[in-house]
Amino acid sequence: DTAVSQTPKYLVTQMGNDKSIKCEQNLGHDTMYWYKQDSKKFLKIMFSYNNKELIINETVPNRFSPKSPDKAHLNLHINSLELGDSAVYFCASSPDHSSNQPQHFGDGTRLSIL
Amino acid sequence: RKEVEQDPGPFNVPEGATVAFNCTYSNSASQSFFWYRQDCRKEPKLLMSVYSSGNEDGRFTAQLNRASQYISLLIRDSKLSDSATYLCAVNTGFQKLVFGTGTRLLVSP
Repeated sequence: DTAVSQTPKYLVTQMGNDKSIKCEQNLGHDTMYWYKQDSKKFLKIMFSYNNKELIINETVPNRFSPKSPDKAHLNLHINSLELGDSAVYFCASSPDHSSNQPQHFGDGTRLSIL
Repeated sequence: RKEVEQDPGPFNVPEGATVAFNCTYSNSASQSFFWYRQDCRKEPKLLMSVYSSGNEDGRFTAQLNRASQYISLLIRDSKLSDSATYLCAVNTGFQKLVFGTGTRLLVSP
């Protein structure tokens, strides 16, 4: 029944590794997002995709690469992980990117870099 | 100046109290506004959208003041279960949501 689901929930890995986080939504929404919430709890948008097309690309290091194989999935690949990448990453979705409908969040992926 | 600002709190109130939070935003072209609730180590959950005319949902009332560029959230008859962090979110266009740092509410017996 989960509307926006992310895997894995927890990810512990070493500096320098490459890792991916997956997100899927079953709400029939066209638009999906990735957010980062750091240790100070500040939640900031990273990317958004509308029907597989990149819409928002904030000033994120190019080690982060989103991929949207279809409108129900938005994955996040991170290369050469750094200590500062430790955070909670939330996926979200909304019906589209132009109306004022609210976004719905997945339950987060807690990434810890050793 | 931050795009969206909130008082981080914490606001400590007894059960049954009324508490209000404000959130100011800097982009006058912002299109839509929301309050989210976030419990510790959980995802943000939509509490309510904020409309120009103001809106109410049970014990919760949200207001928008475009002239002064702030939104507010009023919680009446606080319950222990209202303890959480309340995040203000502003859509600055193309669904780019900018969040405040959140206001922490602690409701005590």
